[in-house]
Amino acid sequence: GQQVMQIPQYQHVQEGEDFTTYCNSSTTLSNIQWYKQRPGGHPVFLIQLVKSGEVKKQKRLTFQFGEAKKNSSLHITATQTTDVGTYFCAGQTGRRALTFGSGTRLQVQP
Amino acid sequence: GAVVSQHPSRVICKSGTSVKIECRSLDFQATTMFWYRQFPKKSLMLMATSNEGSKATYEQGVEKDKFLINHASLTLSTLTVTSAHPEDSSFYICSALPRTGAYNEQFFGPGTRLTVL
Repeated sequence: GQQVMQIPQYQHVQEGEDFTTYCNSSTTLSNIQWYKQRPGGHPVFLIQLVKSGEVKKQKRLTFQFGEAKKNSSLHITATQTTDVGTYFCAGQTGRRALTFGSGTRLQVQP
Repeated sequence: GAVVSQHPSRVICKSGTSVKIECRSLDFQATTMFWYRQFPKKSLMLMATSNEGSKATYEQGVEKDKFLINHASLTLSTLTVTSAHPEDSSFYICSALPRTGAYNEQFFGPGTRLTVL
């Protein structure tokens, strides 16, 4: 079955440092989505990437979808304490359920 | 934006009892809803796909007789954990896929934290 790997599992940064999490799928995806989950909360949709090589930006967040549509990354520039949480990528094929990556837990030291 | 509610948000029950969790799409119709389970500090694992008017499709390793899913309408799916045991304690999250729309964005409910004593 489809597997989605995500690294790193955990990252601790100083406020102001950059952060990147990487996602790799065992199969070609129709789209990849990114979610953020705060401690005790539920996943909140951040963005969806559909096209090969697509790059999207949301303020300090930059999302990339690989040319082969099997990998993706999320980069946060100049982290803030409000960025704390677990970031999940989730791959989808057609209108099927999402396969979530293992998540990257981000801790930001003020 | 689309809103999905879940009820209850938290439930504590005794071992051996059954618990029903509701997932509702409040402002859109969803032919498909998904049920996920998340253990502490772990990722979301898909349990089953619920399609309106038909039987749910369960993922490998998920007991369909233990986790009963009913998708009776385009806005409601229910998950019943039967004869709950402490190992069933987890965070259960549903998501709904709008019937219409160009993209495949799913909308998540706030989750239900189940604790079985």
